[in-house]
Amino acid sequence: KQEVTQIPAALSVPEGENLVLNCSFTDSAIYNLQWFRQDPGKGLTSLLLIQSSQREQTSGRLNASLDKSSGRSTLYIAASQPGDSATYLCAASGFYNTDKLIFGTGTRLQVFP
Amino acid sequence: DADVTQTPRNRITKTGKRIMLECSQTKGHDRMYWYRQDPGLGLRLIYYSFDVKDINKGEISDGYSVSRQAQAKFSLSLESAIPNQTALYFCATSDFNLRDTQYFGPGTRLTVL
Repeated sequence: KQEVTQIPAALSVPEGENLVLNCSFTDSAIYNLQWFRQDPGKGLTSLLLIQSSQREQTSGRLNASLDKSSGRSTLYIAASQPGDSATYLCAASGFYNTDKLIFGTGTRLQVFP
Repeated sequence: DADVTQTPRNRITKTGKRIMLECSQTKGHDRMYWYRQDPGLGLRLIYYSFDVKDINKGEISDGYSVSRQAQAKFSLSLESAIPNQTALYFCATSDFNLRDTQYFGPGTRLTVL
């Protein structure tokens, strides 16, 4: 059974700092790995999706990497801003059932001015 | 207007009551999902539907039922609500052709007293 873990559970950093969020999964047979952002009172917004055949994806100040052999994905946020404050969730999609996303418990990020 | 809407956004009810949560989408997607989110547990899949005639149980379907009234509408029912069903409920959609990404509604906060 796939299990997804995110460390740390919470992170507080000053504006401008580069930071890394970690996601670990136990079963390397994944179809893809996604990173979502969750804001209070709003749903989840997909940030980046990495297919199992890919090593990384980039969007603006965000870069996500995937290492299936070690069961790890990282989300790198460059030059953090207060608007980046949110909860970040990673989710692994099963190789044989791509519709079933297994979510981590999230990292709550606060970026202070 | 939002692509995925959920009603109600907040609901407080009593143990034993029947509750229906509704989800509508204007994205034209064929696949729809219901998740619940609990503190410390992440999001877990309750039910998912590939089309109007294809409904599947997820990880935690006990105590819940669903109805796919049309391609755009997917309802979640709690037949007899109990306090441990207090949670944040999310609806999501995806497109078979772009099946990798799921789009989430804003969530319904349900409290069962």
